[in-house]
Amino acid sequence: KNQVEQSPQSLIILEGKNCTLQCNYTVSPFSNLRWYKQDTGRGPVSLTIMTFSENTKSNGRYTATLDADTKQSSLHITASQLSDSASYICVVREGSNYKLTFGKGTLLTVNP
Amino acid sequence: IAGITQAPTSQILAAGRRMTLRCTQDMRHNAMYWYRQDLGLGLRLIHYSNTAGTTGKGEVPDGYSVSRANTDDFPLTLASAVPSQTSVYFCASSQGVADTQYFGPGTRLTVL
Repeated sequence: KNQVEQSPQSLIILEGKNCTLQCNYTVSPFSNLRWYKQDTGRGPVSLTIMTFSENTKSNGRYTATLDADTKQSSLHITASQLSDSASYICVVREGSNYKLTFGKGTLLTVNP
Repeated sequence: IAGITQAPTSQILAAGRRMTLRCTQDMRHNAMYWYRQDLGLGLRLIHYSNTAGTTGKGEVPDGYSVSRANTDDFPLTLASAVPSQTSVYFCASSQGVADTQYFGPGTRLTVL
């Protein structure tokens, strides 16, 4: 069964600090991997998308990495801001169709 | 550009009642989706539509029905609501089935 596991489940950091979120997947065949940010009470918003051949992709202070061999991805947030407080969801697409497998998310809290 | 709108924002419903959740997109996307999000679980696909006039079952379709009479609208109907359908429901759309999915703000449904 296709699975996406994220860690940690939750994380609390101080404003200005960096953090890294992890994602391990078993989805096959692999098409791409996305990181979504979901603010409380809102729908998820795509941050990055990575395909099999991409190792690193940045979007401002967000940098995602992908190791397709070990089936692992990470999302690194630099110089965190209060507005980064949200749930970060790792999503893997199976093949070239609509099927997405969602992780349960990591709840990040950035405190002043 | 509104993107995707959902209505109602929230609803409390007695068990056994019929309920339709509305979803409208103005991006002329071909594909639309309904997901439910429950605490401790990843988003799960209920139904999808690749294009107007076609629909398909997702991971958790039981108790739900959808229709896609036109490109913009994709209503989700609970024929006879049960407490296990208490959840947050998200509608999403994408240009094609393999493209980025854009999510609506969600509908919080409580079935008593």
